[in-house]
Amino acid sequence: DAGITQSPRHKVTETGTPVTLRCHQTENHRYMYWYRQDPGHGLRLIHYSYGVKDTDKGEVSDGYSVSRSKTEDFLLTLESATSSQTSVYFCAISDGVNTEAFFGQGTRLTVV
Amino acid sequence: SQQGEEDPQALSIQEGENATMNCSYKTSINNLQWYRQNSGRGLVHLILIRSNEREKHSGRLRVTLDTSKKSSSLLITASRAADTASYFCAKVSGYALNFGKGTSLLVTP
Repeated sequence: DAGITQSPRHKVTETGTPVTLRCHQTENHRYMYWYRQDPGHGLRLIHYSYGVKDTDKGEVSDGYSVSRSKTEDFLLTLESATSSQTSVYFCAISDGVNTEAFFGQGTRLTVV
Repeated sequence: SQQGEEDPQALSIQEGENATMNCSYKTSINNLQWYRQNSGRGLVHLILIRSNEREKHSGRLRVTLDTSKKSSSLLITASRAADTASYFCAKVSGYALNFGKGTSLLVTP
């Protein structure tokens, strides 16, 4: 399995609090992605990174920010969590845009 | 939306039958990829087809790509109960990898 770890795996937080999810890889892959998965919506891209300090917005980026200060870590921050951000969050990595992506096991986030 | 769109949304078949899922997209692509997701787990890559390819095989999987119609299909032959999962197509747009809503496949013994 590709070396990709998401933490935490589960989290319950209160509305209005900041939350940071971490994606850590040991593969030295250039590209990293954050998705959320909700019933009826499939996987929706939140943010992605194409190199250290190089990030861009995906389809559903409002309310989220990211940082990538080193190759192995891609952090997703919910600046002020809302109930609509209750979801399962997946991180993915790939070595190139024309190669397969590898997924983490997901983080289940509940905002109460 | 930049997502590809799969259809049908859900498919129920019996073991031994073939399963066909379709994916449509809107903009030009370099490649199109298919992934599988077992319940609650991360996605696993199945197959990648490049824009200059028309058909690709991997074991019991056959993927076709029609760039003129902006569509792809995934065929699983001689399905097994273990093929029960959700299947997603994904396309690259710039550096972004965008997924569709998926097809939920149920294979009953």
